[in-house]
Amino acid sequence: EDQVTQSPEALRLQEGESSSLNCSYTVSGLRGLFWYRQDPGKGPEFLFTLYSAGEEKEKERLKATLTKKESFLHITAPKPEDSATYLCAVQAGTGNQFYFGTGTSLTVIP
Amino acid sequence: DVKVTQSSRYLVKRTGEKVFLECVQDMDHENMFWYRQDPGLGLRLIYFSYDVKMKEKGDIPEGYSVSREKKERFSLILESASTNQTSMYLCASTPGWPYNEQFFGPGTRLTVL
Repeated sequence: EDQVTQSPEALRLQEGESSSLNCSYTVSGLRGLFWYRQDPGKGPEFLFTLYSAGEEKEKERLKATLTKKESFLHITAPKPEDSATYLCAVQAGTGNQFYFGTGTSLTVIP
Repeated sequence: DVKVTQSSRYLVKRTGEKVFLECVQDMDHENMFWYRQDPGLGLRLIYFSYDVKMKEKGDIPEGYSVSREKKERFSLILESASTNQTSMYLCASTPGWPYNEQFFGPGTRLTVL
């Protein structure tokens, strides 16, 4: 069965304290791995798509990387406005379905 | 910018009522999706549609049906609402492969009493 697991469930950081969020997956025929940010009471907002192992994408303080088994979302010198839940999703095989992890809730303390 | 709108932000219904949730996207996207999101369970796919009048069941279709009569509009129907359908409902759309990033609506918080 296809699975996506995110860790940790929750993460508290001091402002400026860099860290990484993990998304591990067990799927056959990965077509894409997606990162989203979700603020409380809102829909997820797209951040990155990664297609193949070794690929990296960056946006401001965020950098996403991909290996054959997992993806990392690195947050460099985070600010309080980076506080949100970060979701990972994969699309695999020939279907149109996406499989989501349960997310990492990030809190950045001033 | 792609915009996905949902008909209501908050909805309160009674057990047994028929409930309609509507989603509209304005960018001519091929694929549309309905998810529900519950604490600790993440996003679970209810139904998706890859073309007008076409639909496929997701992981948890029981108790739900969908309708897609026009490309921009995807409706989720709860035939007879039950308390275990209290949840956040999220609609999403994608242009189609290889551009498969999902654009989400703001969500509908449904409470069934």
